[in-house]
Amino acid sequence: AQSVTQLDSQVPVFEEAPVELRCNYSSSVSVYLFWYVQYPNQGLQLLLKYLSGSTLVKGINGFEAEFNKSQTSFHLRKPSVHISDTAEYFCAVIPKAGGQNFVFGPGTRLSVLP
Amino acid sequence: DTAVSQTPKYLVTQMGNDKSIKCEQNLGHDTMYWYKQDSKKFLKIMFSYNNKELIINETVPNRFSPKSPDKAHLNLHINSLELGDSAVYFCASSQTQGAYTFGSGTRLTVV
Repeated sequence: AQSVTQLDSQVPVFEEAPVELRCNYSSSVSVYLFWYVQYPNQGLQLLLKYLSGSTLVKGINGFEAEFNKSQTSFHLRKPSVHISDTAEYFCAVIPKAGGQNFVFGPGTRLSVLP
Repeated sequence: DTAVSQTPKYLVTQMGNDKSIKCEQNLGHDTMYWYKQDSKKFLKIMFSYNNKELIINETVPNRFSPKSPDKAHLNLHINSLELGDSAVYFCASSQTQGAYTFGSGTRLTVV
């Protein structure tokens, strides 16, 4: 079975500051990794994904994430946040071999302050 | 065109009632899902279904049942609604092992 940990339930940050949202996972098999964003009262939208290849992946809205296999981490970063980035962010994994569903982390609430 | 659409967006109903939430995807995906998001934003898989297999999360009460008239639809039926069923329910779809595309959610309030 897989599990996903997002240690920070809330991250307040001032506008134009950099931010990192942490994600660690546990799995006995290889996984694909994803970050989703949920804006207030909306569904989840895919930000970026890591399937294979370069461990640094770029997503929409200026976000990027780096896969670190040894640390089983997939932290999300943005060099300069905007008010509009205020949302809930979810990290998720799914086994490469298939047969199971996404496992989501508990989410991190990013609040961008003016 | 909305890729994954759910109706209704809001649903308020009394305890004991039976209700349905509809979901349709126009992406040609082979698998559809229902997730429940509780008040703490935690996402929990309820069902996954493709035209071959229905996988049910064993913790889901049997008052909840998915029904798929065809590959593009996966509706959620809930019998004898309880207060604890209040949550946001998300439908999603994917190609096998691909990224999920989510609907915008149905906020269910049981009073």
